[in-house]
Amino acid sequence: QKEVEQNSGPLSVPEGAIASLNCTYSDRGSQSFFWYRQYSGKSPELIMSIYSNGDKEDGRFTAQLNKASQYVSLLIRDSQPSDSATYLCAVNKDGATNKLIFGTGTLLAVQP
Amino acid sequence: EADIYQTPRYLVIGTGKKITLECSQTMGHDKMYWYQQDPGMELHLIHYSYGVNSTEKGDLSSESTVSRIRTEHFPLTLESARPSHTSQYLCASSEAGGRETQYFGPGTRLLVL
Repeated sequence: QKEVEQNSGPLSVPEGAIASLNCTYSDRGSQSFFWYRQYSGKSPELIMSIYSNGDKEDGRFTAQLNKASQYVSLLIRDSQPSDSATYLCAVNKDGATNKLIFGTGTLLAVQP
Repeated sequence: EADIYQTPRYLVIGTGKKITLECSQTMGHDKMYWYQQDPGMELHLIHYSYGVNSTEKGDLSSESTVSRIRTEHFPLTLESARPSHTSQYLCASSEAGGRETQYFGPGTRLLVL
């Protein structure tokens, strides 16, 4: 079992719809959670970070964290074709080193 | 403008050559990281550094070595490149805290023939 699991997709949604991306992690002691977006051939760029249970909203993006279920998700409202990318979930389980464990990513395709 | 830089962006080289991938950041971050990513695969940490003169191996075994003589500079060296080293190499940095976001450079795509 991988430490951070994501459905590889592709997740296909129509333009304007809500895209829901999910991630589970195995280490209950994990403290920090990050969503990165990676366009093909590019490097990851941070979308959101979340540290506490509940929802965190930033523009069209909402991150949700449930530590009891070891589950973190990212919702993208009003999806745009420019949102088409691979979304990487990353978990920091070692605050001393700040090392991140990445999932394989979910490929999102927003259809115009 | 604070940023993180990697050079070269693309490198094609023959087997047996020594190569150094450069990474520099202007954000004053203490922690720096090197990741390796194959197409369609997850990022794997190969080296990290807490600060000057501090380097540690990451979770994925790598034949590369790193050094951290200056805060802003974290080069990665392969003494003898092999086709199995073909991959994308990503450098990242973060502040010293335990929850700090890692910011990535643009990456170096390496092809070893």
